[in-house]
Amino acid sequence: KAGVTQTPRYLIKTRGQQVTLSCSPISGHRSVSWYQQTPGQGLQFLFEYFSETQRNKGNFPGRFSGRQFSNSRSEMNVSTLELGDSALYLCASSLRTEKNTEAFFGQGTRLTVV
Amino acid sequence: GQQVMQIPQYQHVQEGEDFTTYCNSSTTLSNIQWYKQRPGGHPVFLIQLVKSGEVKKQKRLTFQFGEAKKNSSLHITATQTTDVGTYFCASLGGRNTPLVFGKGTRLSVIA
Repeated sequence: KAGVTQTPRYLIKTRGQQVTLSCSPISGHRSVSWYQQTPGQGLQFLFEYFSETQRNKGNFPGRFSGRQFSNSRSEMNVSTLELGDSALYLCASSLRTEKNTEAFFGQGTRLTVV
Repeated sequence: GQQVMQIPQYQHVQEGEDFTTYCNSSTTLSNIQWYKQRPGGHPVFLIQLVKSGEVKKQKRLTFQFGEAKKNSSLHITATQTTDVGTYFCASLGGRNTPLVFGKGTRLSVIA
C-alpha cells in the first residue's frame, strides 16, 4: 500500500508570507502528526489530528495551525513566516490503536524562509 | 509534558566497533519506540518495547527497556557503514498523548 505522501517536497518563501503544507496518510490511518526538524533540535512535536479533531498540540506559537479532512488528509499552515521557521516539516500517520502506535513518516517538506 | 533525554548527541566509531545510545526519562514511560533516520531520509520505525526489563534483538541490534521503565538503550554490535544515521527514541505518555521524540544520536561509521 502507498506510504505517507507530503507535498510539496521543497519550498522557498519570503519572510512575512504564509505557507500551507499537505500530508496524505496511509489508507486507514486516522492519526496524523506533524513535526518540525531542525539541526540540533531533533523532532519537535507540532500537533496531532485524529478523526478531524486536534487531539494534541505542541509548544509552538499560534502562527502554526493545522486541520484534518474527512479523508484523513491533513494540512498545516504557517502564517507570517520568520527566518527561524526554516526546517524540515515531517508528517507521520499511525493507526493509534492500543496495540499499534507505530508512526510512519513521509519524506517531509523542506521549507526555506529567506 | 513528557520528555525523553537522549545521549550521546554524536558518536563516531570505527567500522566493527560497538555503539550504544541511551534514552532517559524522569517519569515512567508507558512504552518506548526506536527510529532510524538515514542522512537525507525520514525516520523509520525499528521497534517498540512495552514491558519492564524487556530485551529485543534484531540481528546486530539489541534494544532494552529498563526495569523501572524510565530508560532504554539501543546497542549495535560490530557496526557497519550501513548503520550510519540518527537514532531516535520516542515515547507515548498514554493512550491519547503525542509521540514525543528524543533529540537523537547521530552515528558516524569510519570504514
